[in-house]
Amino acid sequence: DAKTTQPPSMDCAEGRAANLPCNHSTISGNEYVYWYRQIHSQGPQYIIHGLKNNETNEMASLIITEDRKSSTLILPHATLRDTAVYYCSRKSGSARQLTFGSGTQLTVLP
Amino acid sequence: DVKVTQSSRYLVKRTGEKVFLECVQDMDHENMFWYRQDPGLGLRLIYFSYDVKMKEKGDIPEGYSVSREKKERFSLILESASTNQTSMYLCASSLRPGLNTGELFFGEGSRLTVL
Repeated sequence: DAKTTQPPSMDCAEGRAANLPCNHSTISGNEYVYWYRQIHSQGPQYIIHGLKNNETNEMASLIITEDRKSSTLILPHATLRDTAVYYCSRKSGSARQLTFGSGTQLTVLP
Repeated sequence: DVKVTQSSRYLVKRTGEKVFLECVQDMDHENMFWYRQDPGLGLRLIYFSYDVKMKEKGDIPEGYSVSREKKERFSLILESASTNQTSMYLCASSLRPGLNTGELFFGEGSRLTVL
């Protein structure tokens, strides 16, 4: 049973919102959802994380369903520089390690 | 800013060679990690360390070992490199759980080719 599942690829028009889904149907009550992104030739970069409530920061918004079995990362106004692989992952507050899925390649089109 | 530095961006080694990948972080983080990244498989955890001289196996430790003699440095060792270890290797660090968001800080990666 994969820890998280994501679509392998998505396209988005520049200036539009990019909505990246993630399924984590077996998530435990104490596990947070984390999102990272990796721009080509760089290491992954933290974006946002959440437990139950929706979260927003300067980079993105995270919407977690009430049953916590899935979440959506929202980039409100995608730019060409947002083209990257986006990884959804999960981790309890006490765990040290983070397990990543295969990620979604987001391509922002001009 | 946290900096995680990996010693080599690109390496080419021959089958059977011993390979050392070095990683240094400058923010006094307790946890350090080694991942490998392959097309279609995402990032997979090889080993991690939560303290000096402490290590734990990740999801794919076979064929690898690690060393953490100092808090800031975490080395990945391939005792006898094989072609199926050709990959991108990523080092990361984080504070111990409970101290912050649990955010991982990654290095730029080391692309290893084994011929």
